[in-house]
Amino acid sequence: QKEVEQDPGPLSVPEGAIVSLNCTYSNSAFQYFMWYRQYSRKGPELLMYTYSSGNKEDGRFTAQVDKSSKYISLFIRDSQPSDSATYLCAMTDNYGQNFVFGPGTRLSVLP
Amino acid sequence: NAGVTQTPKFRILKIGQSMTLQCTQDMNHNYMYWYRQDPGMGLKLIYYSVGAGITDKGEVPNGYNVSRSTTEDFPLRLELAAPSQTSVYFCASSSQDRGNTIYFGEGSWLTVV
Repeated sequence: QKEVEQDPGPLSVPEGAIVSLNCTYSNSAFQYFMWYRQYSRKGPELLMYTYSSGNKEDGRFTAQVDKSSKYISLFIRDSQPSDSATYLCAMTDNYGQNFVFGPGTRLSVLP
Repeated sequence: NAGVTQTPKFRILKIGQSMTLQCTQDMNHNYMYWYRQDPGMGLKLIYYSVGAGITDKGEVPNGYNVSRSTTEDFPLRLELAAPSQTSVYFCASSSQDRGNTIYFGEGSWLTVV
């Protein structure tokens, strides 16, 4: 079993749709959860950061963590063509030394 | 807001040549990392460092070397370049004091021909 699995995509949605991106993980020691957005020919950019279980909202983006199910999600409301990118989930434990990344989901938002 | 800076952005190498990818960060992070990212394969850790003078191998260290003489700099050396090292390389840094998040540079695209 891989340490982190992510919905592979690619995912194409019309502009204005609600997008759900998901990752599952196996290591119960993970406490810090991140979502990165990566545009073509660019480095991953930190989008959302959550500690432990719960929800966090930032504008059109909502990150959810369910540690009991070892499942994290990123929701994008009112998706825009500018949201077209690859989204990576990432996580680490309390030591914050080793990070584990999902393989990424490529999202295309069509105008 | 420099963050993590990598150079060069693009490079073409011939088989057997050597080169160094430079990385510097201005966030005073103690941890630094080098990843490579191949299409559809996700990020693979090459080497990492927990502080100046301390480095350790990651998942795919063969063909690479690193050093960490200062907190800010973490260069990656490619010795005897091979076509299998054609990839995009990302330097990153993190700190426990900064909420356990990792920040990436813009990437270095390397082609070995």
